Parts: sequence; C-alpha cells; structure tokens
Amino acid sequence: NAGVTQTPKFQVLKTGQSMTLQCAQDMNHEYMSWYRQDPGMGLRLIHYSVGAGITDQGEVPNGYNVSRSTTEDFPLRLLSAAPSQTSVYFCASSYSGRGHTGELFFGEGSRLTVL
Amino acid sequence: AQSVTQLGSHVSVSEGALVLLRCNYSSSVPPYLFWYVQYPNQGLQLLLKYTSAATLVKGINGFEAEFKKSETSFHLTKPSAHMSDAAEYFCAVSEGQNTDKLIFGTGTRLQVFP
Repeated sequence: NAGVTQTPKFQVLKTGQSMTLQCAQDMNHEYMSWYRQDPGMGLRLIHYSVGAGITDQGEVPNGYNVSRSTTEDFPLRLLSAAPSQTSVYFCASSYSGRGHTGELFFGEGSRLTVL
Repeated sequence: AQSVTQLGSHVSVSEGALVLLRCNYSSSVPPYLFWYVQYPNQGLQLLLKYTSAATLVKGINGFEAEFKKSETSFHLTKPSAHMSDAAEYFCAVSEGQNTDKLIFGTGTRLQVFP
C-alpha cells in the first residue's frame, strides 16, 4: 500500500508563480485535508473535503484553491505564490467511518520555498 | 472554538528517564483528543486517541495518556525513554464529535540523551 502520496517533495517558486501540490491516497478514504506546518505554529488546516465534489475552507484558506473530482485525489493550488506561503505542506486522509474519526494518515510532506 | 495548548516547545530527557509531555484542552464537552508523533523529515502518525471509553489510553511504542476532565489535561507519558523516541509530538483535538477536522497544538520536540 502506498498510503498518502504527495508530489513534489521539494519546490522553489518565485513570487507570483502558480503551482499545484498533488495528493493521492489509495485507501478509499472519504475525508482528505491539507495542512501547513510552520515553526512554532504547529499544523494549520487550509482546506478539507468530506467526499468527491465537496470541499470547504479551514483556518488559513486565503491564497489556496482545492478541488475533489475523485475520491483518490485532492490537489492544492497556489494561484499566485507569496513568500508567506513558504512552508511544509501535508496532505492527510481518514476513513471517517464509525470508530475512526480523527485518525488521520499523513503524506511525507511537500517543502515549498517562495522567493 | 476548540483549542489545545502544549506547554514546553522542547523537552530533554536522558535515556531511561520518564517522558512527560503536557497538553491542555479548552472545552466544556470532552472531545476526541489525540497525540501524533512526527519523526524527522516524515509526516505525522497517530500515537493514541481518547474517545471517552477510558480515561487512560495506551498507544504505540509504550506511550500512554491520561484524560483528566477536572484539569482539562491530556498529558502524554512513557516510563522509560529510548533514543528512538526523539521526535516532535503534537496534541490535537477534534472540532466536534463527528468530524475529522483536527486542531493541532504547536508541538513539543523531545530530545533523548544517552
């Protein structure tokens, strides 16, 4: 099982460029989410999805877009990168079934630097 | 709104010593509570989860946490630290009873010295 796969692992962008962080899971999880991790701030929720075709904003959604056309994939788009978006991004998914609420499976992260 | 506070951004212990990582939550209704661990250059993985079934929760790798409603605490402990326990530990709370949306604390980095 691959679990949660994120690509790319590293990326350097210039201010104003756009890019997409890819996230795929092979566990048939309904719930998927994106977090950013910054030193001293823990993880903050950017966007999440409870199933294909359904997305919603988290705590820090500005500057990011998401879509969920399939159960497996949940890409995160940066429309016009800013230095404040320099961070490590994690995708996480969950079975979200009875007894498994909150049991997130994380990808290995994507480290993004915006110059 | 739910939140968790982790006291101490860094904790250092000697190998074989007790590990105690502190977490306090703010809520009038006991939520789901979690501890996650992040090893260097990896994603987070679930250590243990509190669901109100028992106040003492046992997790992987010898860790356990005790839910104390009177203190709104959910501290993580391990009787004897191993070098391999060196990692960052995150306490988290769910936003509600039926949601996977988790609110994470700021993390505690555990160092283990020989």
